[in-house]
Order: sequence, then structure tokens, then C-alpha cells
Amino acid sequence: KQEVTQIPAALSVPEGENLVLNCSFTDSAIYNLQWFRQDPGKGLTSLLLIQSSQREQTSGRLNASLDKSSGRSTLYIAASQPGDSATYLCAVPSLNRDDKIIFGKGTRLHILP
Amino acid sequence: EAGVAQSPRYKIIEKRQSVAFWCNPISGHATLYWYQQILGQGPKLLIQFQNNGVVDDSQLPKDRFSAERLKGVDSTLKIQPAKLEDSAVYLCASSPIRAPGANEKLFFGSGTQLSVL
Repeated sequence: KQEVTQIPAALSVPEGENLVLNCSFTDSAIYNLQWFRQDPGKGLTSLLLIQSSQREQTSGRLNASLDKSSGRSTLYIAASQPGDSATYLCAVPSLNRDDKIIFGKGTRLHILP
Repeated sequence: EAGVAQSPRYKIIEKRQSVAFWCNPISGHATLYWYQQILGQGPKLLIQFQNNGVVDDSQLPKDRFSAERLKGVDSTLKIQPAKLEDSAVYLCASSPIRAPGANEKLFFGSGTQLSVL
């Protein structure tokens, strides 16, 4: 059974700092991993999708890496801004035939002005 | 391109009452999902439709929850009767085609925040 863990549960950093969010998953035989952002009271927005054949994906100040063999992914945010404050969730497909997408509980990020 | 539409945004009901949520996915998206997100948790899949057929409803509490997707477009999720533990955000998402091995992003609606008193 696929399980997704995100540590830390919450993180506060001063504006302008670079930061890394972590995601780990128990079964490495995945074919992709997605990072999402969720603002309070809102739905999820897909930020980056990394295919199993890729090691990283970049979008603006965001860079996501994937290490399947160790069951880990990181989301790197450069030069953080107050607008980056949100909850960040990672998700991977389950490996059952139902092919569900399994989410972690997320990391609540607060950027201090 | 219009996103995933959900209504209502908020709903407050008393336990044992009924409630229904509506979702209109992105035009042309074959796959539709309903997720339940309890405060502080990640979303949990309740049901997944491929066109108008159910792909997975293994985590749907079928004694009180029901969902349908008529004509493979809009979908409704109903709870009858509601319990206190059903208080959560109900998220609808869609993707073009959900096939094993597909590398497709999910597109989420803003969700319906349900409070059961």
C-alpha cells in the first residue's frame, strides 16, 4: 500500500530565503509525482508534475526533484515571497489496479515579511 | 479555459440532514474525481468516474454517500443522512483521461466546505 509522508508539517521562514519541502513515499514503482499548492479555503493547484523518467522539473522559482530509488521528492522554492505562503502537497499514484492518487498531508508554509 | 466549477462554496447543516454538491469539470475531461479533505489532512479519494462509469468507489461510505455523473459531464455527490464526522471540504477534480501510466495533471475546483452541527 502506497503511503506518502511530508515533513515538516509546518514551516516558517523569513522572506527572501530559499527553502526545501520534503516528500517521501513507500513504494518507489511510481510513474509520476505531482506537487500541489493549496491556499486557505481553496482547491488545489498543480504546480509541477515529474514523470518517472525525469529527475527534476522547474517552473519559475520552483524546482522539484525526484529520486525514485530512495522514495523521495523535494520542492525547492527560491527567494521566497509572502505570496508563497500556502500548504504544499505532494501526490503519487497508487500501485493498485484502481490507480488512485495518494496525497500527503501537506506542509503549511508561512513566509514572514 | 474555464476551470472546474463547484457549488455551493459553503454549506452548514445539522446532523441527519441531507446535502448535495455539484461539480462541472473542465470541458472535454473524461475523468472526474470527488475527494474529501478533513482539516489538516490530505485529500482522500471518494469516487472516480471515467466518463459516466465508476472506476473506483472503494472509499465511498455507500450507506450514506452517493454520487452520479449523468451523461459523463456534470456530477453530484450526496450525503444522506449527514454525520458530524462528515464535516470537511469536498473537492472535485478532473483530468483529460485517467489511464494507468498516464502523466496528466489534476485540475481541482475550489471545493465545498461542509459543516455538520
